[in-house]
Amino acid sequence: AQSVTQLGSHVSVSEGALVLLRCNYSSSVPPYLFWYVQYPNQGLQLLLKYTSAATLVKGINGFEAEFKKSETSFHLTKPSAHMSDAAEYFCAVSPSRMDSNYQLIWGAGTKLIIKP
Amino acid sequence: NAGVTQTPKFQVLKTGQSMTLQCAQDMNHEYMSWYRQDPGMGLRLIHYSVGAGITDQGEVPNGYNVSRSTTEDFPLRLLSAAPSQTSVYFCASSYSPIRNYEQYFGPGTRLTVT
Repeated sequence: AQSVTQLGSHVSVSEGALVLLRCNYSSSVPPYLFWYVQYPNQGLQLLLKYTSAATLVKGINGFEAEFKKSETSFHLTKPSAHMSDAAEYFCAVSPSRMDSNYQLIWGAGTKLIIKP
Repeated sequence: NAGVTQTPKFQVLKTGQSMTLQCAQDMNHEYMSWYRQDPGMGLRLIHYSVGAGITDQGEVPNGYNVSRSTTEDFPLRLLSAAPSQTSVYFCASSYSPIRNYEQYFGPGTRLTVT
C-alpha cells in the first residue's frame, strides 16, 4: 500500500532562512505527488504538483519541490522564509490506478513556524 | 465561481443529536469527498463520490452517511453525534480522483460534540 511520511510535525525557521519540509513516499509505481498548504482557519490549497514533465517543480509563493525517484522523496523548499509562510503543509500521493479506491494518500502535515 | 462552499462554519451538538453538513461546488466536478482533520493525524477520508448517485466509504465512515443526488451537492449526515466526532470537516472536489488533478477544498466546518 502507498504511504506518505512527513518528517517533523513542526519546523521552525527564522525569517529569511531556507525552508526545507521533507516528504517521502512509498509506491510501487511512479506516483503523482502534491504539496498543499493550509493557512490558519482555512481550507487547503494546492501549492504545487509533480506531473512527470520535470523533476523540479515550481509552485506558488516561491516554493519549489524536487522529485527524486532514487530516494522516493519530494521535499519542499523555499530559499527565504517570510512571516506569511507560517502555515501547515501537507504532502500527498495520488493513486495511479483505477483500482485504488480513489483515496488520495496524505502525510500527517508539518507546521511551519517563522521566527522574526 | 464560488468554488467549494460549506455550511455551517461552526456547530456545537449534544451527544446523540443528528445534523447535516452541507457542501456544494459550482465547477461541475464529478469527484467529491469529505475529510475530517484532527491534530497530528492529517486528513482522513470519510466518504467520497465519483458522480451523482455513486458514493463509497473512505477510511473512517462509521457514524456518517452521504448521498449525491446532484453533481453540485454532497451533504454529510451525522446520525447520532458522539464526542469522538469533534473535528474539523472539509469537503473537496476534483475533476478526477486519480492522476494529477487538483482537489479544491471548502473552508471547513468546525464541529464540537459535548
